[in-house]
Amino acid sequence: ETGVTQSPTHLIKTRGQQVTLRCSSQSGHNTVSWYQQALGQGPQFIFQYYREEENGRGNFPPRFSGLQFPNYSSELNVNALELDDSALYLCASSLRLSGNEQFFGPGTRLTVL
Amino acid sequence: QKEVEQDPGPLSVPEGAIVSLNCTYSNSAFQYFMWYRQYSRKGPELLMYTYSSGNKEDGRFTAQVDKSSKYISLFIRDSQPSDSATYLCAMMVTSGSRLTFGEGTQLTVNP
Repeated sequence: ETGVTQSPTHLIKTRGQQVTLRCSSQSGHNTVSWYQQALGQGPQFIFQYYREEENGRGNFPPRFSGLQFPNYSSELNVNALELDDSALYLCASSLRLSGNEQFFGPGTRLTVL
Repeated sequence: QKEVEQDPGPLSVPEGAIVSLNCTYSNSAFQYFMWYRQYSRKGPELLMYTYSSGNKEDGRFTAQVDKSSKYISLFIRDSQPSDSATYLCAMMVTSGSRLTFGEGTQLTVNP
């Protein structure tokens, strides 16, 4: 069974640029959630996708957007990057919408200069 | 006020000690309670999850939930240097919904 994978591992962008982060769910999982974890803080919920539809969103501006594909992989897009967007971005997958256990990937570390 | 409060530590204990980690919360709608372990620069790993109040034990780990006090705990017995990590509590209102995390407690177990 393959776990949750994310790419890239880390990247550096400059303010105002756009970035796309990718996540492959654990085999059989159809729900993906994205979280932002600033240094020294707990993860903050960005949004969740279930069967290609957004199913809940946290307190993040519209420049944070996402997609889920038919194979349940997912993308997180961030436009007009700001310095405060520097963080570890985590993807978590679960078996179904009512799954208790969310399994996290290793994260993508984004640095905005 | 944050929905979930967790003492960030750092907490340093000798090998073999019993470790107690705690979180308090304000949202009485939380029903599912988790503990995650996160090693430096890695993703969180689920350790324990509990539904509603009660205790749950798994090897050296015991999770306790007291909904009347809005207080959850994780106990680690016979702590090992490999337990050195950040421990995050997390909660959900309904199954499969968003996780709300505490700030995390940084634990170091010294040989």
